[in-house]
Amino acid sequence: EDKVVQSPLSLVVHEGDTVTLNCSYEVTNFRSLLWYKQEKKAPTFLFMLTSSGIEKKSGRLSSILDKKELFSILNITATQTGDSAVYLCAVTNRGGKLIFGQGTELSVKP
Amino acid sequence: NAGVMQNPRHLVRRRGQEARLRCSPMKGHSHVYWYRQLPEEGLKFMVYLQKENIIDESGMPKERFSAEFPKEGPSILRIQQVVRGDSAAYFCASSPPEKIASYEQYFGPGTRLTVT
Repeated sequence: EDKVVQSPLSLVVHEGDTVTLNCSYEVTNFRSLLWYKQEKKAPTFLFMLTSSGIEKKSGRLSSILDKKELFSILNITATQTGDSAVYLCAVTNRGGKLIFGQGTELSVKP
Repeated sequence: NAGVMQNPRHLVRRRGQEARLRCSPMKGHSHVYWYRQLPEEGLKFMVYLQKENIIDESGMPKERFSAEFPKEGPSILRIQQVVRGDSAAYFCASSPPEKIASYEQYFGPGTRLTVT
């Protein structure tokens, strides 16, 4: 059965800290891995990764995919209180649907 | 360019009533996906539609739930004879045609269904 596992499930840090969120997956006919940020509303798209070893960056956020070891990480540097949210990892196969992990709830304290 | 639109944003139904949830995809997007987020649970896939076609409904409950994406108008997720366990946030996502080679899915604001 296809599955996506995220760790940790929750994380509390202080402003300015750097965090690393993990996502491992098992899926048949892997196509892409996506990261979303959810703040009590719709998931907001962050990154889509299809190739191993190519880092994607957007401001203080970056992500990379390892298709051999079947995992991805999402890094957030110099965290701010506005980064507090649930971060969702999802994988698509050729069928198109997103298979989500449980999410990592990040809380950034001032 | 408007994002994915869903309405209503909040819907309250009594047990046994019907719920209709609407989703208008982003302009130029022809693929629509519905997901459900139960309280304290992750997002679960329900159904994937293209115009006038159901591509994958493997996540839909076998009874009471149906979905359509007509040639004109929004996609509709219909829940008949709602029960308390249907209370959840229902999200719609859209993506562009495959020929554009982008598999990103963009989510609407969701419809929060409460069954009393």
